[in-house]
Amino acid sequence: DQQVKQNSPSLSVQEGRISILNCDYTNSMFDYFLWYKKYPAEGPTFLISISSIKDKNEDGRFTVFLNKSAKHLSLHIVPSQPGDSAVYFCAASALGGGADGLTFGKGTHLIIQP
Amino acid sequence: DTGVSQDPRHKITKRGQNVTFRCDPISEHNRLYWYRQTLGQGPEFLTYFQNEAQLEKSRLLSDRFSAERPKGSFSTLEIQRTEQGDSAMYLCASSLSGTALQEKLFFGSGTQLSVL
Repeated sequence: DQQVKQNSPSLSVQEGRISILNCDYTNSMFDYFLWYKKYPAEGPTFLISISSIKDKNEDGRFTVFLNKSAKHLSLHIVPSQPGDSAVYFCAASALGGGADGLTFGKGTHLIIQP
Repeated sequence: DTGVSQDPRHKITKRGQNVTFRCDPISEHNRLYWYRQTLGQGPEFLTYFQNEAQLEKSRLLSDRFSAERPKGSFSTLEIQRTEQGDSAMYLCASSLSGTALQEKLFFGSGTQLSVL
């Protein structure tokens, strides 16, 4: 049973436009959420995170929104750049992390078209 | 020390052989994690250490798998009697507990295991 779901395996966006990546979760104990970016043959790289006490966190071109009632979060990238082409993983942790580590979704492959 | 280091990057082995991977975490990080990633999936948690103590193991970690972190620094993951289903990317990550960033894991580049 997947506790973190990324229902779009891939997403194609034109350069300069907004990219919106979505993530849903089922475990109501999750209290911290992260987005990781992964290039081929490399490990995931931390991008941005949000605690369950917030509904928005911004870092430059990246904004993460959290809707706890819907158990849904999204990552907005604006404007999208060619270097943003990668696989993006949504991850979640419960009870302050540690036990069971992070639970990851299957990822969304973002392709930025020139 | 600029990040998490994993060795080897690639390992090809025959079914039934034993393999061992090494991970060197970021030096000041006291937590170390092992994950496995197969094609089309996200990383799956295997086990984690806080200092030298192994505190959590996933049900994915069968008795053929063993992980150690003898001095609370580097860690090794051994797979005995490898099977074709063990073919995957094995990722190591580290973090610093007791801080607001403890869930922020820093990953290595992984070891790609192919079992023939």
